[in-house]
Amino acid sequence: DAGVTQSPTHLIKTRGQHVTLRCSPISGHKSVSWYQQVLGQGPQFIFQYYEKEERGRGNFPDRFSARQFPNYSSELNVNALLLGDSALYLCASSSFDGNEKLFFGSGTQLSVL
Amino acid sequence: RKEVEQDPGPFNVPEGATVAFNCTYSNSASQSFFWYRQDCRKEPKLLMSVYSSGNEDGRFTAQLNRASQYISLLIRDSKLSDSATYLCVVTPLGGSARQLTFGSGTQLTVLP
Repeated sequence: DAGVTQSPTHLIKTRGQHVTLRCSPISGHKSVSWYQQVLGQGPQFIFQYYEKEERGRGNFPDRFSARQFPNYSSELNVNALLLGDSALYLCASSSFDGNEKLFFGSGTQLSVL
Repeated sequence: RKEVEQDPGPFNVPEGATVAFNCTYSNSASQSFFWYRQDCRKEPKLLMSVYSSGNEDGRFTAQLNRASQYISLLIRDSKLSDSATYLCVVTPLGGSARQLTFGSGTQLTVLP
């Protein structure tokens, strides 16, 4: 079985541009979460979606948005990119909206120049 | 004050050594506790959950002290393959387990 897949693996953008990151959860998983990891820090929670509804939002500006599709894949969108948005963006999936294990994808490394 | 605080290290230890990592959390209502391991430029992977009674998985032992809001991880007989960053993780009471709060991580290098 395929794990959590994210695309692209690397991305270079310039300030002011927008970016769309994609995530496909493990087959059968209905919950997807997004995390941002800045170099030298732990991952920081951005969003959680379950059954296509937003179930949680971290402390990020409105430039960050996300959605989940009927097939449970997800997109993270970031508008008006800032240099500080440079980070590893991690997607994680799990099977139920309960207390069980998260499986992380290998992430998208975003560099904003 | 950060919600989860860890000593960033780095910890450089010889093979076979015992090493301990500590972590404190600020929200007394935190419900679940974990240690994750992250290799360089890779995704975090769950190492073990942490229970109030303490738990052990091979060479790894995790402890939780709710009164002191303190979590620890002990690694015995360190191997070269244990070199990684260890992330302390908590979830809030009533919150989804997918809304994890990570510490900044403690870097471990095991030397031959």
